[in-house]
Formats: sequence, structure tokens, C-alpha cells
Amino acid sequence: GNSVTQMEGPVTLSEEAFLTINCTYTATGYPSLFWYVQYPGEGLQLLLKATKADDKGSNKGFEATYRKETTSFHLEKGSVQVSDSAVYFCALSEDNQGGKLIFGQGTELSVKP
Amino acid sequence: GAVVSQHPSRVICKSGTSVKIECRSLDFQATTMFWYRQFPKQSLMLMATSNEGSKATYEQGVEKDKFLINHASLTLSTLTVTSAHPEDSSFYICSAYSGIDSYEQYFGPGTRLTVT
Repeated sequence: GNSVTQMEGPVTLSEEAFLTINCTYTATGYPSLFWYVQYPGEGLQLLLKATKADDKGSNKGFEATYRKETTSFHLEKGSVQVSDSAVYFCALSEDNQGGKLIFGQGTELSVKP
Repeated sequence: GAVVSQHPSRVICKSGTSVKIECRSLDFQATTMFWYRQFPKQSLMLMATSNEGSKATYEQGVEKDKFLINHASLTLSTLTVTSAHPEDSSFYICSAYSGIDSYEQYFGPGTRLTVT
């Protein structure tokens, strides 16, 4: 079946460091891919998405490119801030419309001043 | 963005009792709501898909008689954990999907259930 694998956390970075959180997926067909973020005490929020190969999703300085050849959707940010501390979830949509999501295990990011 | 609430945020119940968790979309109509379960340090696991006015669709391995889902209106879905046992203790999260703004589910803040 379809699945998503993320790098394990926690990831601890200093402010302004470069961030990469790896995400790879296994899927039949051509799923849509997502990154969700969960800030402490809050519900998950959509951070960015990509719906087809080579699409780049971006938001709030974060980027991820849908790489079909490597079945990856790695999350990157050039300069993290303390406010980026959260848990990040990579996900794919089985119905290709964002309706039925398969999540990775989540990666906790902690950014120190 | 759209807001989804869950109530209660935390509940402790005794083994053998039933607990109801509500999920509400506050400012939009949700044609579909999803219920997830999240174990500590683990991913969200989809339990069931709930469409307004119809029976929920459960994922493989989820007992539909134990986890009763009702989606009676376009803004409310409920999850009832019946005859709860300690192994049902978990973090339950709902999400709502309008189907209009395609690709985005809006998540509730979650409900922490502890069964003693």
C-alpha cells in the first residue's frame, strides 16, 4: 500500500541555519504531496503542497519539490527562526484531491536562538 | 483560514464507559470529515471517513462497532468510543474537508483520551 517515510527527529538547529527534512513516498499512480505543520497546542495546518511531478510548493520561506524519479518531497528552508519550532508531517493524498491522507511519522524541529 | 474545533480537549474515563468526541467546522460546511488517531511520537492514522448524511467508511482494522461515527450535519461529526479500554487511550484528531477549496483539510486541535 501507499506509505510515507520521514527522517526521524528531533532536529535541533540554531536560528538562521539551513533546514532539510527528508520525505520519501511509495504510491501507485500519481499522488498529491503535502507538508503539514503542527505548532505546540494547535491543530495541523497545511504548509505547502504539490500536485504533480516537478511542481514546487512554497510558503513562509519553506519549499519542497515533487521528485517523481526519486519519489521524494524534501522540505527545505534557507534560514530558520525560533518560531518555526514545530512538528512537520509529510503526507500524500490517495484520492489525489487532498481528501484521504497518508502521513509520515512527523519530524520535530526545535530552533534555538 | 477555516477553523475546526474539537470538544472536549481532554477526557479521562473509566474502563467500560463510553466517550463522545465532537468535531465542528465553525465557519464553513464540511462535506467530509476524517477521524485520525495519533500515538505518541507516531504518525496520524486514518480511522474513518465521514460524509454528511451517510455511513462512515472505516479503514481496515478499525472496529466500527467500537468507534461509532455520526455526521449528522455539514458542521458536526461525532466519534463515540464505546466500552472504552486502556488500549483506546490516545490522541484523536478530526479534520474537515469542504471539497470546494480543493486539497486542503482543516484540522481540529485534537482530543486526549485517557482510559483508566
